[in-house]
Amino acid sequence: DAKTTQPTSMDCAEGRAANLPCNHSTISGNEYVYWYRQIHSQGPQYIIHGLKNNETNEMASLIITEDRKSSTLILPHATLRDTAVYYCIVRVRDNYGQNFVFGPGTRLSVLP
Amino acid sequence: NAGVTQTPKFRVLKTGQSMTLLCAQDMNHEYMYWYRQDPGMGLRLIHYSVGEGTTAKGEVPDGYNVSRLKKQNFLLGLESAAPSQTSVYFCASVSAGLSGNTIYFGEGSWLTVV
Repeated sequence: DAKTTQPTSMDCAEGRAANLPCNHSTISGNEYVYWYRQIHSQGPQYIIHGLKNNETNEMASLIITEDRKSSTLILPHATLRDTAVYYCIVRVRDNYGQNFVFGPGTRLSVLP
Repeated sequence: NAGVTQTPKFRVLKTGQSMTLLCAQDMNHEYMYWYRQDPGMGLRLIHYSVGEGTTAKGEVPDGYNVSRLKKQNFLLGLESAAPSQTSVYFCASVSAGLSGNTIYFGEGSWLTVV
């Protein structure tokens, strides 16, 4: 199974862009990369996902390197409410179906 | 987290007791998952199901059993609870398909085994 590695923690000033990296060097061609975040101990909240191309939605942008071994989640204008643990998740297909492998996550602290 | 409901939200068990966590989704999703999350850690997959009547083991299945008798429900059972099973449990569901689909999570069930 592909695994992910992320920095344990990061700080970002309010109003600035937050760039969260993720390494998924063992990812295979048909595996998606998902980003979720978790505020306190609530259920994980969907942010964005992608396969090969860069993606953007109302919450964030996802930049995937050409070799797909790493990606970066960008929160363009971080607010205090963006303080959370951010998970880079790989979608893995197996003979049975599909499941989702969580890494340890990055604890992002947005500072006033 | 509209669509995925977990019951109960909180429970305290004595060692050796049994209990069942219920996960219900109303989105007609084929795939359902049970994860556990220990303090300071990410989510770890316990069991999952790709359809009614089918289940598979995840990363940490020992001490748990599951059943998917109806498509909308995925039950997680602890036959003889142990303190090591104190954790927050999350259920998730997603539709099958070739393209990336959004995973929907429940709000969690806090279980303490004393």
